[in-house]
Amino acid sequence: DAGVIQSPRHEVTEMGQEVTLRCKPISGHDYLFWYRQTMMRGLELLIYFNNNVPIDDSGMPEDRFSAKMPNASFSTLKIQPSEPRDSAVYFCASSDRREQYFGPGTRLTVT
Amino acid sequence: AQSVTQLGSHVSVSEGALVLLRCNYSSSVPPYLFWYVQYPNQGLQLLLKYTTGATLVKGINGFEAEFKKSETSFHLTKPSAHMSDAAEYFCAVSDQAAGNKLTFGGGTRVLVKP
Repeated sequence: DAGVIQSPRHEVTEMGQEVTLRCKPISGHDYLFWYRQTMMRGLELLIYFNNNVPIDDSGMPEDRFSAKMPNASFSTLKIQPSEPRDSAVYFCASSDRREQYFGPGTRLTVT
Repeated sequence: AQSVTQLGSHVSVSEGALVLLRCNYSSSVPPYLFWYVQYPNQGLQLLLKYTTGATLVKGINGFEAEFKKSETSFHLTKPSAHMSDAAEYFCAVSDQAAGNKLTFGGGTRVLVKP
């Protein structure tokens, strides 16, 4: 398996624009997690899904953030409108209940 | 609720010296514990994990960690540091009931001096 795949790897956008981050989990994994990493706040869990259903979105910063998982092989994290404080590395991870496997991350810069 | 505390956000060691990274956790249920490593501009990679059984756990790259329930600790060690060990290390505790949902510590950045 190719592991968890994230795209794009880097995204630079202007404040106010919509940003969509994408994730393909490892086949067969039934849990998917979205994290955000910043220098100030470290690694934060934003939301996680089980069998494509959102279970806990209490880490989502505000209504500008939304996440979907339309099927077992694809998830998106959308920010609309984006703000400079959203600049961070966003990680997707999938789990087979024994271990989480992380993707390489998307580095988002909002100017 | 679970939490993880890593003592020391930065650690500097000489090449060949012992690496010791400290991790303390709190959990209301028997914990699953993990150490992840993150190299610059990369994702997190699992170093080792404790689930049940033997409390001394060996991982990749010569690292090991010992689960001490009485001290609620899971410290990571490596007898002899290598330049390639320079990275950031994260300790995490799992909520097994939530598909291995992880709560991370703040991370410890390791600098290896020649």
